[in-house]
Amino acid sequence: QVHLQESGPGLMKPSQTLSLTCTVSGDSISSGGYYWSWVRQDPGKGLEWIGYIYKTASMYYNPSLKSRVTISVDTSKNQFSLKLNSVTAADTAVYYCARVATFWVNFFDNWGQGTLVTVSS
Amino acid sequence: DIQVTQSPSSLSASVGDTVTITCRASQSIGRYLNWYQQKPGKAPNLLIYGASTLQSGVPSRFSGSGSGTDFTLTIASLQPEDFARYYCLQSYGVPWAFGQGTEVEFK
Repeated sequence: QVHLQESGPGLMKPSQTLSLTCTVSGDSISSGGYYWSWVRQDPGKGLEWIGYIYKTASMYYNPSLKSRVTISVDTSKNQFSLKLNSVTAADTAVYYCARVATFWVNFFDNWGQGTLVTVSS
Repeated sequence: DIQVTQSPSSLSASVGDTVTITCRASQSIGRYLNWYQQKPGKAPNLLIYGASTLQSGVPSRFSGSGSGTDFTLTIASLQPEDFARYYCLQSYGVPWAFGQGTEVEFK
């Protein structure tokens, strides 16, 4: 059974770069059968798709964040990562990593537990 | 971008009730609509994908229907563990978008 676990700083200051890592067990990121994605949930409980990476080299980002976001993969550690530049208080959220099943329809089928990131001066 | 409008934002119900939640897409998305349940402090959990296919392990009292722009999640005979927040997700076009959520509360 696949398991995803986020790790990263819980508290950040405005203008810093957020770096989160998702460690995957029970599946191989490089196998190509799934996409690997980040989703965040703001304190008001709205969910926002951030982006995904596929076959280690194809990335798709939400246009609302595209100028600040990078998703990458470390196949040797079976991890994928999120970098978000120039954070502000509006980036305060619970960040989830998730696996995307790619049938004829795409959907998140497994999620990490989430990690709270607070941006405050 | 494809927007998804979910309604109602909250509803009150009792154990045994049948409840219905609706999502409307801003343009036709075929059947590229998925439903999730979220409980406090937990990640969302997949209930239904492709508008109507029940995820393995999800009770059959959950059902989904619809295509094009209008979709429905129905929970028949509401159980105590069903009081939670529900979200739809369209994955037809990038950026994928979630509905605003529906809180199902005890009446």
